Amino acid sequence: GAGVSQSPRYKVTKRGQDVALRCDPISGHVSLYWYRQALGQGPEFLTYFNYEAQQDKSGLPNDRFSAERPEGSISTLTIQRTEQRDSAMYRCASSFNRGTEAFFGQGTRLTVV
Amino acid sequence: KNEVEQSPQNLTAQEGEFITINCSYSVGISALHWLQQHPGGGIVSLFMLSSGKKKHGRLIATINIQEKHSSLHITASHPRDSAVYICAVTPRVGGSQGNLIFGKGTKLSVKP
Repeated sequence: GAGVSQSPRYKVTKRGQDVALRCDPISGHVSLYWYRQALGQGPEFLTYFNYEAQQDKSGLPNDRFSAERPEGSISTLTIQRTEQRDSAMYRCASSFNRGTEAFFGQGTRLTVV
Repeated sequence: KNEVEQSPQNLTAQEGEFITINCSYSVGISALHWLQQHPGGGIVSLFMLSSGKKKHGRLIATINIQEKHSSLHITASHPRDSAVYICAVTPRVGGSQGNLIFGKGTKLSVKP
């Protein structure tokens, strides 16, 4: 696509439910990144992929968070048993390869009630 | 201590003023990025640089690798420049955080 696309744009879920957030990167971009941004803060790294390989998941807060990119294109970030503290803007970005300019999606605003 | 520090956190300017936002970092980097986050939430890449200076319109970004410091300048500021400006670095190969380590951002408000 023309840009990085994330869906849904907004998600409200009840505590304890699982959610799946989708990122469709720019076509041909090798690297894909997930970030989380709390209100008033800069983005915080979660995980990143080169092709389908998850290179670094050190930023995932706990084992309720997981991500995959099975075919090296679309990625899904899954949060199991959501908690209120998971509420944030979840951002995806992609780049041609690591260290080149990153292009950001509009983000998914997750609210856990 | 954050690996990327920005100053100031908040900045209010009058239209037409020259604006400087500073970024200091403590890790070895392969590149530094300046990003603009619009009030609606979207993030746009302004510059990516690894040395020297880049200019795009009224925006200028400089970096001093030895001092681990970068500045973003806006000349003849305008209310439409109001946004959050975020400094981010790409750690050198072997860094632990993938693509980017972010600063907390500088919220700029330009008054007419």
